[in-house]
Amino acid sequence: EAGVTQFPSHSVIEKGQTVTLRCDPISGHDNLYWYRRVMGKEIKFLLHFVKESKQDESGMPNNRFLAERTGGTYSTLKVQPAELEDSGVYFCASSQEGRFIAGEQFFGPGTRLTVL
Amino acid sequence: TQLLEQSPQFLSIQEGENLTVYCNSSSVFSSLQWYRQEPGEGPVLLVTVVTGGEVKKLKRLTFQFGDARKDSSLHITAAQPGDTGLYLCAGRPGFGNEKLTFGTGTRLTIIP
Repeated sequence: EAGVTQFPSHSVIEKGQTVTLRCDPISGHDNLYWYRRVMGKEIKFLLHFVKESKQDESGMPNNRFLAERTGGTYSTLKVQPAELEDSGVYFCASSQEGRFIAGEQFFGPGTRLTVL
Repeated sequence: TQLLEQSPQFLSIQEGENLTVYCNSSSVFSSLQWYRQEPGEGPVLLVTVVTGGEVKKLKRLTFQFGDARKDSSLHITAAQPGDTGLYLCAGRPGFGNEKLTFGTGTRLTIIP
């Protein structure tokens, strides 16, 4: 079974440009999460989709970030316009619905974003 | 805002030694997970502890959840070079599929 995949693995862009990150969750996983780690900091939550709906987007830093999950399958995270402080590693995770105990979140390898 | 502080931040020890990594918070978590992350990969779940005072063992690794569900520890017995990596604790504030709050991480190096 394929794990969570993310594309691209690396992206280098200039300040002010737009970048779109993609995440393909494990097939059948309704829950999809975005996290990111900026330099020297801990991994922080960005948002949570249940199928195509945003369940929790409390971690989104500002309105330059737009996440979508059309059809409840893959998700995209667009940063427009990118700023220097957006540099970091963006992780996607997915999990099955857990009835009594939260499902394990399986993480993708991450996309390393560098904004110059 | 819930925070998880891990200590030590870096640890380098000789093969065969024992070590303990701590994960502390002033907040209560419904469950706490320990992950290990290799370079270029995402975190991989090692264990989940749910009950205060719970102890789980995974071969040479022993995980404990504090009685008040605010802290946790990871103890490794007879460390091996294959244990080298970044260890992360992460807490979940409530039951259900919810966001994880990650700790600051402990980078462990086992010297052969």
